[in-house]
Amino acid sequence: GESVGLHLPTLSVQEGDNSIINCAYSNSASDYFIWYKQESGKGPQFIIDIRSNMDKRQGQRVTVLLNKTVKHLSLQIAATQPGDSAVYFCAEGGFQKLVFGTGTRLLVSP
Amino acid sequence: KAGVTQTPRYLIKTRGQQVTLSCSPISGHRSVSWYQQTPGQGLQFLFEYFSETQRNKGNFPGRFSGRQFSNSRSEMNVSTLELGDSALYLCASSVVTGGDTGELFFGEGSRLTVL
Repeated sequence: GESVGLHLPTLSVQEGDNSIINCAYSNSASDYFIWYKQESGKGPQFIIDIRSNMDKRQGQRVTVLLNKTVKHLSLQIAATQPGDSAVYFCAEGGFQKLVFGTGTRLLVSP
Repeated sequence: KAGVTQTPRYLIKTRGQQVTLSCSPISGHRSVSWYQQTPGQGLQFLFEYFSETQRNKGNFPGRFSGRQFSNSRSEMNVSTLELGDSALYLCASSVVTGGDTGELFFGEGSRLTVL
């Protein structure tokens, strides 16, 4: 928590709403994209990933959408819960070298 | 199964000193990566080791170095510390054995403060 950016974009939602977190990536050659969640005082935690040969992938309550044309990635969280409050990072890369985005802080109010 | 363990969790050093951080990956994971996290620069890749060999390196000065041991444990060292080295240093391990990218499991980090 205290280690992440002080001026992160913030998304505030009500419990039960759907959340959409967006990310623009820079390298059109990237073929692997991941979303991570970082809670206060903890390391990033893997949420979901997607390869460039797909445009959508679903997990439990989460969906990642990839638009290669505009180099855009989004994370959708269904029925957002207070426990989803965290900083969310997108990352691109391969061969164990990830380039992380700046992060978005998600605040969920009950 | 135990997660990625990093030691120490917190440490304070002064400019000019050097520091060594340790990382024990998840059992069976042979790839270990290091990242630096700061408010200004976010998460930045430092280097990645697999089977005691550095496979990939980020854009950090030579003061930042690392190594991996035969049991996959890794250390990173920062020499001649500068104020700007204050950061959370994160270690991540992965089970991937080939060149593909696999899920990284992060530790909770070592928070370094340089005074």
